[in-house]
Amino acid sequence: DAGVTQSPTHLIKTRGQQVTLRCSPKSGHDTVSWYQQALGQGPQFIFQYYEEEERQRGNFPDRFSGHQFPNYSSELNVNALLLGDSALYLCASSSGGLRQETQYFGPGTRLLVL
Amino acid sequence: DAKTTQPPSMDCAEGRAANLPCNHSTISGNEYVYWYRQIHSQGPQYIIHGLKNNETNEMASLIITEDRKSSTLILPHATLRDTAVYYCIVWEKGGKLIFGQGTELSVKP
Repeated sequence: DAGVTQSPTHLIKTRGQQVTLRCSPKSGHDTVSWYQQALGQGPQFIFQYYEEEERQRGNFPDRFSGHQFPNYSSELNVNALLLGDSALYLCASSSGGLRQETQYFGPGTRLLVL
Repeated sequence: DAKTTQPPSMDCAEGRAANLPCNHSTISGNEYVYWYRQIHSQGPQYIIHGLKNNETNEMASLIITEDRKSSTLILPHATLRDTAVYYCIVWEKGGKLIFGQGTELSVKP
């Protein structure tokens, strides 16, 4: 049973560029949440997708956007990259949208903005 | 803000039990307590969760006080591979996990 997968594993971009990160949820899961983890900090919630719609959003600017596909996979897009966007981006999958269900995390994508 | 408070760091001798405390005094009656751990630069790993009864699985045990204001994660026989940051999280309605700073557990030989 494949767990949550993310691609790419590492990425280097320059300020002002745009980036797209991808996530495939664990088999049987239909809900994807994205988190940002800066160095030395705990993960911070960005947003959650369920039934191809953004259901919840954390305190992140509109430069951060996402999408969920019919097969439940998801993308995180960040526009106009800033140095402060350098972080580990984590995807977590669960089932049932807003229901209380365990979230399982992928290995993350390490983004470095120069 | 996170609803939990944890000590920033703890040490444990290899082979001994590691007991990691967590305070969640403002928890509501239907909110679960979750524990995750994160080994350096990897994604957080789910360990265990509970509502009000003690729980045990192959990784750990979770003891929740009767008033539900605190809990303890127990790793019965810590190994060097258990060295990680451990996060105690109160699951909030809507499903977003709010992480605090966690406890950095160092298991020493």
